[in-house]
Amino acid sequence: EADIYQTPRYLVIGTGKKITLECSQTMGHDKMYWYQQDPGMELHLIHYSYGVNSTEKGDLSSESTVSRIRTEHFPLTLESARPSHTSQYLCASSLTPGQGAGRVRRTESFFGQGTRLTVV
Amino acid sequence: QQPVQSPQAVILREGEDAVINCSSSKALYSVHWYRQKHGEAPVFLMILLKGGEQKGHEKISASFNEKKQQSSLYLTASQLSYSGTYFCGTELIQGAQKLVFGQGTRLTINP
Repeated sequence: EADIYQTPRYLVIGTGKKITLECSQTMGHDKMYWYQQDPGMELHLIHYSYGVNSTEKGDLSSESTVSRIRTEHFPLTLESARPSHTSQYLCASSLTPGQGAGRVRRTESFFGQGTRLTVV
Repeated sequence: QQPVQSPQAVILREGEDAVINCSSSKALYSVHWYRQKHGEAPVFLMILLKGGEQKGHEKISASFNEKKQQSSLYLTASQLSYSGTYFCGTELIQGAQKLVFGQGTRLTINP
C-alpha cells in the first residue's frame, strides 16, 4: 500500500479564495508530481520536483504554485481560485533509479487519492 | 508529445481477452502502465524499458516495440476486477521519470 496522502479529499470553495492542497509521502521518494485530471480524462502534469528546493512547471500550464521545502511535503497553492480551476488534483511520488536501499533500478509512481476541487 | 492509446473503450464479457495499444511519435525510454478505477487513484501495473522487454503481472502482460515506439497491454481471460481505465505513461529521457500520459482506454468487463 502506497504511503502518500492528500488532504482534503474534497473541497468546495468560493471564487477568489486562496487554497492550499496538501501532499505528503513517507517513502523517502526524491521526486514528486502534481497532476490535474478532469473526470474520465487523461492526467496532465502541472508541476514536478526532483528534490528539495527543486520545482518545475509541467506540460500543462497552471496558475498554481508549489514548494518543496521538505522531502516528504509538496503542497500546491492557488492564490485566487476560479471556476476554471475545478478539477481533480492528484499527487504522486517516485524514487530515482539507483537510489534507496538495494539500489532500486527502476521505480513506478505512487499516487495519492486525489483532491476533488470545486470552485463556485 | 502525448502518446495515443487505442481503442478508446472496450466492452468484454468475463473471460475474454483484450489488447490496448499505446503509440508515441517520439523515441521512448520507457512505458509505464496504470489502471484507475472510478473515484480512485491510478495503480501501477508494470514498466517496460526500451529493448523489447515483455513483462507480466498475473494474467496481464505487456510488450514494447522500440522500432515502432509502441507498447501493447494484453489482458487474458479477463476478470470483473479488470474493469477500469488504463493509462500508458511514456518517459522520453532515461531517469527523468516525468511521464506523459495517454488519454486512457476505458475497459468494461461484464459477467
